[in-house]
Amino acid sequence: DVKVTQSSRYLVKRTGEKVFLECVQDMDHENMFWYRQDPGLGLRLIYFSYDVKMKEKGDIPEGYSVSREKKERFSLILESASTNQTSMYLCASSLGQTGSGANVLTFGAGSRLTVL
Amino acid sequence: AQSVTQLGSHVSVSEGALVLLRCNYSSSVPPYLFWYVQYPNQGLQLLLKYTTGATLVKGINGFEAEFKKSETSFHLTKPSAHMSDAAEYFCAVSDLRTDGLTFGKGTHLIIQP
Repeated sequence: DVKVTQSSRYLVKRTGEKVFLECVQDMDHENMFWYRQDPGLGLRLIYFSYDVKMKEKGDIPEGYSVSREKKERFSLILESASTNQTSMYLCASSLGQTGSGANVLTFGAGSRLTVL
Repeated sequence: AQSVTQLGSHVSVSEGALVLLRCNYSSSVPPYLFWYVQYPNQGLQLLLKYTTGATLVKGINGFEAEFKKSETSFHLTKPSAHMSDAAEYFCAVSDLRTDGLTFGKGTHLIIQP
């Protein structure tokens, strides 16, 4: 069974701390994504990546950065966490290489971050 | 650019009743459309997708959706609701810029006993 694993399900951090959210997929997928989910706002794309060492900004990249040193791992970094970054963070991956838009996204279980 | 509108942030139905969750999309190119479900404290799970071909698409757990180009709609239905259907449902459209998806804001389905 294909899997996207987010290492931390629940995190509590303090304002100003550096936060790492890790995501690993075992499907040899090309594309990886980080979304933020907030009540009433749905899912909003933060960053995505087509390939190793490649990253592209999504719709709400401010305050975040990402790293993709290996194909299977895509990390989301909050350089200095703020209270307005309290949210559910969802990682997803897809096969890629089609450019057709027909790719199915497979999601991890999510990481719920609280910033105090 | 593409967008998705889900009508109704909360929908309540009785167990055994018809479930209808509405989704309208906007896309400058022929769209690929998806419905995902999210159970409490879990990630999103694919229910069904429309890419090409038959406009009535069947998914898991008895759900189906019909792509209507003239109405720019992709509504999700299930003939008879079950308590286990209580969840958040998201409609999404393909995003060629990211090779990912643009999501609607979600509809919380409540099942009354």
